[in-house]
Amino acid sequence: GESVGLHLPTLSVQEGDNSIINCAYSNSASDYFIWYKQESGKGPQFIIDIRSNMDKRQGQRVTVLLNKTVKHLSLQIAATQPGDSAVYFCAEIYTGANSKLTFGKGITLSVRP
Amino acid sequence: DTGVSQNPRHKITKRGQNVTFRCDPISEHNRLYWYRQTLGQGPEFLTYFQNEAQLEKSRLLSDRFSAERPKGSFSTLEIQRTEQGDSAMYLCASSFSGQVIYFGEGSWLTVV
Repeated sequence: GESVGLHLPTLSVQEGDNSIINCAYSNSASDYFIWYKQESGKGPQFIIDIRSNMDKRQGQRVTVLLNKTVKHLSLQIAATQPGDSAVYFCAEIYTGANSKLTFGKGITLSVRP
Repeated sequence: DTGVSQNPRHKITKRGQNVTFRCDPISEHNRLYWYRQTLGQGPEFLTYFQNEAQLEKSRLLSDRFSAERPKGSFSTLEIQRTEQGDSAMYLCASSFSGQVIYFGEGSWLTVV
């Protein structure tokens, strides 16, 4: 698998490999984090979320890791498939105040057959 | 379908005209959000409601933009005197306090 920060626009992986998408969030007070997948012309689709009292959460083929010390979030996709090709956004929110979800810049995941 | 529903999905309008978008949130979700997204960028927050109360508005929301959620259910976003810079996808999302925020498929606006 490959990992890349959100400052790089595209991540290209071979079908079947694992993908790792990293995100540096900005607000140390944020306590809820969500990963979204967005396909061309569609709205963001919820993938997985994690609260700040956890450091790891697993879903179906996806895992989110949270490191609050360095304000870092990652999304791991196991056995990447062509249908995983999309733009991925991390988003953060501080649920204790006005609940405004703030998005990171996004990265394009491209799966090579 | 119990997802967030947005209408119309696509709107082409002439500069200077008014447009209105409607959002029907997921049933029983008390929070409703509007975001704007342009090509290659992440969604940008515009405004948010808890029930019928509009709790926060971004500085992106100029005086030509108005949003309402009169009965705490559906919401409308109106843009008056549209400008070419308003061309974007307008996204609506909903949640139940502190829970997952789900997005609709968006309403595309093209101002010509």
